[in-house]
Amino acid sequence: GENVEQHPSTLSVQEGDSAVIKCTYSDSASNYFPWYKQELGKRPQLIIDIRSNVGEKKDQRIAVTLNKTAKHFSLHITETQPEDSAVYFCAACTSGTYKYIFGTGTRLKVLA
Amino acid sequence: SQTIHQWPATLVQPVGSPLSLECTVEGTSNPNLYWYRQAAGRGLQLLFYSVGIGQISSEVPQNLSASRPQDRQFILSSKKLLLSDSGFYLCAWSLAETYNEQFFGPGTRLTVL
Repeated sequence: GENVEQHPSTLSVQEGDSAVIKCTYSDSASNYFPWYKQELGKRPQLIIDIRSNVGEKKDQRIAVTLNKTAKHFSLHITETQPEDSAVYFCAACTSGTYKYIFGTGTRLKVLA
Repeated sequence: SQTIHQWPATLVQPVGSPLSLECTVEGTSNPNLYWYRQAAGRGLQLLFYSVGIGQISSEVPQNLSASRPQDRQFILSSKKLLLSDSGFYLCAWSLAETYNEQFFGPGTRLTVL
């Protein structure tokens, strides 16, 4: 079945440094790739997404890159701040089924 | 604007008891609806999704079931809970027919003792 692998599971960075989280998907028919941020005790919220017809998308300090050939996509956070500390989930949407398959999450800690 | 509600917020149930979790969406029509389970410190496991009334797709064989009796109502049920059913249950919706952002509800924390 469809699978999304996410690495690393935990990531600690110093405030101001960059953070990169990587995901690999198995279904070549996937064409929508969202990233969600979940703060402690709260619901996941979308922070950025990318569709398969685009290779890169940026929104202020966050960016996502997509390599369809290799079937992997990455989240990049620059100039990290303590409020970036949270669990981040990637997901892949399977064409024609509207299923969202989530990665296992990355716990990001930004150290002040 | 659209809102999504889940209840109850927390629930403690004994093993073998039944379960009913409810999710409702306001402000949109014919949404795609989803149930996820999140175990402590783990990822989001897709349990069920629905693209219309009475249309339920099950992703994981288990003792849970889902129903969609109305357009904007999604119910997660079990006849007999297991200890392994403990977790954080999230309902979500997205616009129909397009790949788009999922909006999550506040979740229900279920503890089975």
